[in-house]
Amino acid sequence: EVQLVESGGSLVQPGGSLRLFCEASGFTFSSHWMHWVRQAPGKGLEWVSFINIDGSTKAYADSVKGRFTISRDNAKNTVYLQMNSLRAEDTAVYYCVRTLLGASGWWGQGTLVTVSS
Amino acid sequence: DVVMTQSPLSLPVTLGQPASISCRSSQSLVHSDGNTYLNWFQQRPGQSPRRLFYKVSNRDSGVPDRFSGSGSGTDFTLKIIRVEAEDVGVYYCMQGTNWPYTFGQGTKLEIK
Repeated sequence: EVQLVESGGSLVQPGGSLRLFCEASGFTFSSHWMHWVRQAPGKGLEWVSFINIDGSTKAYADSVKGRFTISRDNAKNTVYLQMNSLRAEDTAVYYCVRTLLGASGWWGQGTLVTVSS
Repeated sequence: DVVMTQSPLSLPVTLGQPASISCRSSQSLVHSDGNTYLNWFQQRPGQSPRRLFYKVSNRDSGVPDRFSGSGSGTDFTLKIIRVEAEDVGVYYCMQGTNWPYTFGQGTKLEIK
């Protein structure tokens, strides 16, 4: 069974840092592009970042560029999102997503990040 | 950035009746590789989003055939031929042709 389990979300002060984790199972992790998509409370979806199968290509939304870094460890079946200089507007549920564009798409359950003093 | 505009934003539907959601992009979604990267997602209350269609009309596994996706260029449509109670939720279109990927505002489908 395909599973994407996010963790690492918590309450953090503005300007702080947080690292999100997404552990994959039930499929060949190293064969899939991975994404992070977020959803602020009561709002719509916003694509955040993507990483290709070997980590050589990454992309970011303008709203997080220079503050967030995506990475992956194919040996551990895990994708990460390092979030620095956090702002109140980064408050959201962060979803880990397998393959947004092609066949075999899958979403995790999400992890909540709250940025507040 | 490519702007995705959905209409309507609220869609009250009687059970058993059809429903249609429009999604328009601010520029063509035809990629240089010939594909059109337009997805549709469903988000039921309290749940994670679930993809329904990719590349306009390719149905994801487990999606009932009462749902259909169509369109080309800048105009796309999600149709439900007979709405059921389990279809309540918010529907989003998303383009993946140009960076950054962008979503529509969402259309909330409810039962009248």
